[in-house]
Amino acid sequence: AQSVAQPEDQVNVAEGNPLTVKCTYSVSGNPYLFWYVQYPNRGLQFLLKYITGDNLVKGSYGFEAEFNKSQTSFHLKKPSALVSDSALYFCAVSPRRTGANNLFFGTGTRLTVIP
Amino acid sequence: EPEVTQTPSHQVTQMGQEVILRCVPISNHLYFYWYRQILGQKVEFLVSFYNNEISEKSEIFDDQFSVERPDGSNFTLKIRSTKLEDSAMYFCASGQGAYSNQPQHFGDGTRLSIL
Repeated sequence: AQSVAQPEDQVNVAEGNPLTVKCTYSVSGNPYLFWYVQYPNRGLQFLLKYITGDNLVKGSYGFEAEFNKSQTSFHLKKPSALVSDSALYFCAVSPRRTGANNLFFGTGTRLTVIP
Repeated sequence: EPEVTQTPSHQVTQMGQEVILRCVPISNHLYFYWYRQILGQKVEFLVSFYNNEISEKSEIFDDQFSVERPDGSNFTLKIRSTKLEDSAMYFCASGQGAYSNQPQHFGDGTRLSIL
């Protein structure tokens, strides 16, 4: 069975400080990994993905994520947080295959960046 | 940038009534999805659709649910006889590629309230 864990419901960070939003997964095989962000009253927006290769992937708005196979983690990071980064962040996995991909989401982490 | 659009933004329906949620995916996308998010919970996969047929569906997608692509642009989710527990935000998504590493593009959702 696929499962994605985001152990923190809420992360608070001061503006300008680095941020980390944690994600671990339990999925058979080598899944594809994604981060999505949700702003109030909006749908999910794609931030970045890990397919293969370099463990550090870069995405939109200065975000990056580090894939760690041994720890089955895919933590989202940003060197310097902005107030506008405040939103709900979802980690997701997809089985590695051709065709339609069903995303399995974590429970989400609400990031609040304090001015 | 092209977007996935969903209508209505909010639907209020009496229990037992049929409801149709509408989506217009991005025009050159081939894969279509419905997800739901019960208030305060994670986003859950419902169904994927490709080449005018269901590719995969979750346990949530029982006989009360159906999907259709009635023309070249719309993608609909029908709930035949709504239950209180169907109250949720429903997201439509579309994807371009034939590989499960392609990001999905989400609409802003339809909030369904069952009374």
